[in-house]
Amino acid sequence: EDQVTQSPEALRLQEGESSSLNCSYTVSGLRGLFWYRQDPGKGPEFLFTLYSAGEEKEKERLKATLTKKESFLHITAPKPEDSATYLCAVQAGTGGFKTIFGAGTRLFVKA
Amino acid sequence: NAGVTQTPKFRILKIGQSMTLQCAQDMNHNYMYWYRQDPGMGLKLIYYSVGAGITDKGEVPNGYNVSRSTTEDFPLRLELAAPSQTSVYFCASIGLAGADETQYFGPGTRLLVL
Repeated sequence: EDQVTQSPEALRLQEGESSSLNCSYTVSGLRGLFWYRQDPGKGPEFLFTLYSAGEEKEKERLKATLTKKESFLHITAPKPEDSATYLCAVQAGTGGFKTIFGAGTRLFVKA
Repeated sequence: NAGVTQTPKFRILKIGQSMTLQCAQDMNHNYMYWYRQDPGMGLKLIYYSVGAGITDKGEVPNGYNVSRSTTEDFPLRLELAAPSQTSVYFCASIGLAGADETQYFGPGTRLLVL
């Protein structure tokens, strides 16, 4: 069964304190792994798509990496505006490209 | 482009009432999805469509119906609303962000069933 597990559920950081969010997954035929940011009361906003193990992508203070079993979202020197829920999702290569989402990690960055 | 739009933003229903959640996209995307998100949880797939006239069930389809008569529109119908359908509903479509494929999400419809 396709499954996505994110940890931790919540993470509290001081401004400038780097850390990582984890996304463990099982899927039949990975087509893509996605990271989204979601602010309260809004829809998810695209951050990264990773397609194969070993791939890495960066955007400002965020860096996403992918292995055959998990993905990490590294946050370097976070700022209060990085506070949000970060969602991980995997997409199988069959069945209409259905996407399975994890429950998310709520990140709080204190100034 | 307006992207993915959803109406209404918020609705209160009584148990047993019916309603249609509207979703439209102006990006000419073939793949469209409906999700629900319960508090503190990830998104659960309700129904999806790979093109006009083609729809299929996701993880949690019971109590819902969809249709896809055009590429642009993908309405979600709730029949006989129940308190368990209280949730936030998101519509999405697959497209490209630069060279990467992603889902574009609407702003959501918050539904309360009392």
